[in-house]
Amino acid sequence: DADVTQTPRNRITKTGKRIMLECSQTKGHDRMYWYRQDPGLGLRLIYYSFDVKDINKGEISDGYSVSRQAQAKFSLSLESAIPNQTALYFCATSPSILTGRTDTQYFGPGTRLTVL
Amino acid sequence: SQKIEQNSEALNIQEGKTATLTCNYTNYSPAYLQWYRQDPGRGPVFLLLIRENEKEKRKERLKVTFDTTLKQSLFHITASQPADSATYLCALPNTGGFKTIFGAGTRLFVKA
Repeated sequence: DADVTQTPRNRITKTGKRIMLECSQTKGHDRMYWYRQDPGLGLRLIYYSFDVKDINKGEISDGYSVSRQAQAKFSLSLESAIPNQTALYFCATSPSILTGRTDTQYFGPGTRLTVL
Repeated sequence: SQKIEQNSEALNIQEGKTATLTCNYTNYSPAYLQWYRQDPGRGPVFLLLIRENEKEKRKERLKVTFDTTLKQSLFHITASQPADSATYLCALPNTGGFKTIFGAGTRLFVKA
């Protein structure tokens, strides 16, 4: 079974709709992340969470919100989707920095979102 | 601000040859550097981590070097195979060390 799962895997929606992408992990990691990936731009951090009570904005958080429901679950919401949010979205996890002093990340399979 | 540069042009090589990918960074001195592999439409997968006090790290056919003076890492795949075709991402911790910054990646094509 995959350690980091994302649902849905593919989603097509219309401008203005509210969308939620969900991420679950069985790795027992404290840290969770949401990235978007666009061709030629690499991975860009949207939000990250170091534990259930800690939520932080990344470099491109406008238009997005998140919820950390439990250590294992981290959801990303687009309150009112727009076409330029069409991208591949990845959830990732990493153990506490105090554990290994490095931030090796483990990624989910991705969600391909298309906003028409 | 911190910047990571990877060759945006795809690298095409023949099977059996050694592939060498470059990662350059500017404006800081990271304590370690990571390399990930990403297949089309899939999430990146961690390959190797090298620390600032290590010059070289090996794992099977993979070798990574880390030159903190040049601010550069080289990623080598020896005896390359078509199955090695993928995008390879370089990643570094940010200045505070609490986030990871990813390069845009270099696409590798290995021809049979």
